[in-house]
Amino acid sequence: LAKTTQPISMDSYEGQEVNITCSHNNIATNDYITWYQQFPSQGPRFIIQGYKTKVTNEVASLFIPADRKSSTLSLPRVSLSDTAVYYCLVGPPLVFGKGTRLSVIA
Amino acid sequence: DGGITQSPKYLFRKEGQNVTLSCEQNLNHDAMYWYRQDPGQGLRLIYYSQIVNDFQKGDIAEGYSVSREKKESFPLTVTSAQKNPTAFYLCASKVAGSISSSYNEQFFGPGTRLTVL
Repeated sequence: LAKTTQPISMDSYEGQEVNITCSHNNIATNDYITWYQQFPSQGPRFIIQGYKTKVTNEVASLFIPADRKSSTLSLPRVSLSDTAVYYCLVGPPLVFGKGTRLSVIA
Repeated sequence: DGGITQSPKYLFRKEGQNVTLSCEQNLNHDAMYWYRQDPGQGLRLIYYSQIVNDFQKGDIAEGYSVSREKKESFPLTVTSAQKNPTAFYLCASKVAGSISSSYNEQFFGPGTRLTVL
């Protein structure tokens, strides 16, 4: 199984762009890169998924370099409600690590 | 409304008792999953099922059992053999198969918090 490494925690001020980088050196050819968001006492919520280059949706952007050994989730202009844990996963199958705890400060 | 429901939201159990957690989905998804989450930790896979009447063990299946008699339902039983069952349990479902932009999109239920007294 491909493993991922991401920062344990990050802080940001409201209105800033936040970039969370994830490394996945052993990613397999058939693996997709997927990001989830989780609020306390709730189930995770799918944010975005990509295979290569750049993917953008109404919530975030995902940047994947050509070698696919890392990826960066970009959250534009965060608000207090974006405070959550963000998980980077490669697969399938999906393996949830501890994620990155993002704290947005007013 | 389509979605996944889990019941109950909070569950208390005495040591030595079996307890069953409910998970129902009306999304017409083929695949269903059970995860366990401990405080400050990520999710760990207990069991998963890709199709009715078939399921596979995940990383921490010991002390748990499941059934998949209907597409919509995937109940989890926490048996007395599970040594430390107090945790937050999450059920999820996904469209099996086809590669698409949401290939890894799992839909999660609200969770059941189990406490063993």
